[in-house]
Amino acid sequence: DARVTQTPRHKVTEMGQEVTMRCQPILGHNTVFWYRQTMMQGLELLAYFRNRAPLDDSGMPKDRFSAEMPDATLATLKIQPSEPRDSAVYFCASRDSNTGELFFGEGSRLTVL
Amino acid sequence: GEDVEQSLFLSVREGDSSVINCTYTDSSSTYLYWYKQEPGAGLQLLTYIFSNMDMKQDQRLTVLLNKKDKHLSLRIADTQTGDSAIYFCAAGGYSSASKIIFGSGTRLSIRP
Repeated sequence: DARVTQTPRHKVTEMGQEVTMRCQPILGHNTVFWYRQTMMQGLELLAYFRNRAPLDDSGMPKDRFSAEMPDATLATLKIQPSEPRDSAVYFCASRDSNTGELFFGEGSRLTVL
Repeated sequence: GEDVEQSLFLSVREGDSSVINCTYTDSSSTYLYWYKQEPGAGLQLLTYIFSNMDMKQDQRLTVLLNKKDKHLSLRIADTQTGDSAIYFCAAGGYSSASKIIFGSGTRLSIRP
């Protein structure tokens, strides 16, 4: 059963620490998205990639966030240094280019103290 | 820029139909999606419709699209307690290079 896999599912860290979230998209999906969900802002698009190349990261705070796709099976989202306002659920999603369907992972819940 | 809007809350009686509405601004949107999110879970794709369609039905779910008004709706027939969740509308372009923008979600609650 193909699915998007995200790790870690939960992360509690202290302000100033580096956080790395990982995503394994569904095999064969060449477009990968990172979203952030908070109560106040809803579901925000942070960045997305096609064929591992970044297409748009305008939704991401550039000074502390970075997103990469080292290879077709791994997308990473890094926050350095983390701040309490980064506390949220971070979702990765991959898109089937044939059908247009977008599939989400279970999310990484980040708490920054 | 692109925007997708939904009302925040909807309350319906069990057994009635629920209708969740959504508007979008990008007229080039080709794929229009509906997702369901239960507490503590990810987003589950319920259904989607192409912009060249007016309606799509899938069991208890009916999606209506008014492309002229950029208005999308999701009707859930015979609403059950298990339908309680947040429902997200999203819009995206045809190309795999297109971004996909989500609404803020509509929280559906079911009254006995």
